[in-house]
Amino acid sequence: GAGVSQSPSNKVTEKGKDVELRCDPISGHTALYWYRQSLGQGLEFLIYFQGNSAPDKSGLPSDRFSAERTGGSVSTLTIQRTQQEDSAVYLCASSSQMGESYGYTFGSGTRLTVV
Amino acid sequence: GNSVTQMEGPVTLSEEAFLTINCTYTATGYPSLFWYVQYPGEGLQLLLKATKADDKGSNKGFEATYRKETTSFHLEKGSVQVSDSAVYFCALSAAGTALIFGKGTTLSVSS
Repeated sequence: GAGVSQSPSNKVTEKGKDVELRCDPISGHTALYWYRQSLGQGLEFLIYFQGNSAPDKSGLPSDRFSAERTGGSVSTLTIQRTQQEDSAVYLCASSSQMGESYGYTFGSGTRLTVV
Repeated sequence: GNSVTQMEGPVTLSEEAFLTINCTYTATGYPSLFWYVQYPGEGLQLLLKATKADDKGSNKGFEATYRKETTSFHLEKGSVQVSDSAVYFCALSAAGTALIFGKGTTLSVSS
């Protein structure tokens, strides 16, 4: 596609429920990244994929968070047993390859609210 | 570990004022440095970048110079406009790692 697409754009869920957030990167981009943006906390790195593998999962806050990527394209971030502190905007980005000089293209994000 | 520190906001300026947003970094090796901008209601966009020491990135009237001796990458614009109101993020990328962002600086420009 022309840009990075994320769905849903907004999600309200009850505490304790599971949620799935989807990211559709730019076609042909091999690297995909998930970040979390909370008020006053900037962008917190969660995980990145090179192809279908995740060399760095160091940013996932707890074992309630997991992510997968299939076919080198779409990625899903799953949060199990959601807590109120999970409320944030979840951003996905992709780049043509993993390398320090490549800028990222970001999606518009999924705003998650846990009530 | 690698990190980015940028000045706290909000920064409030009048139209045509000079803008500086400070950014310093800590990193091993020689990272690439970036500024991203997030306009109200929009996603993050790459504003400019520099990949080696003394490089100057520029775009839309904004500039930033990669200063290795002071580990800085300050963002500047000579004359801001109301349309520049946004959140600005400084970021670095070191070999084999994803972008690390600062906490963001909110700029508000009034006419």
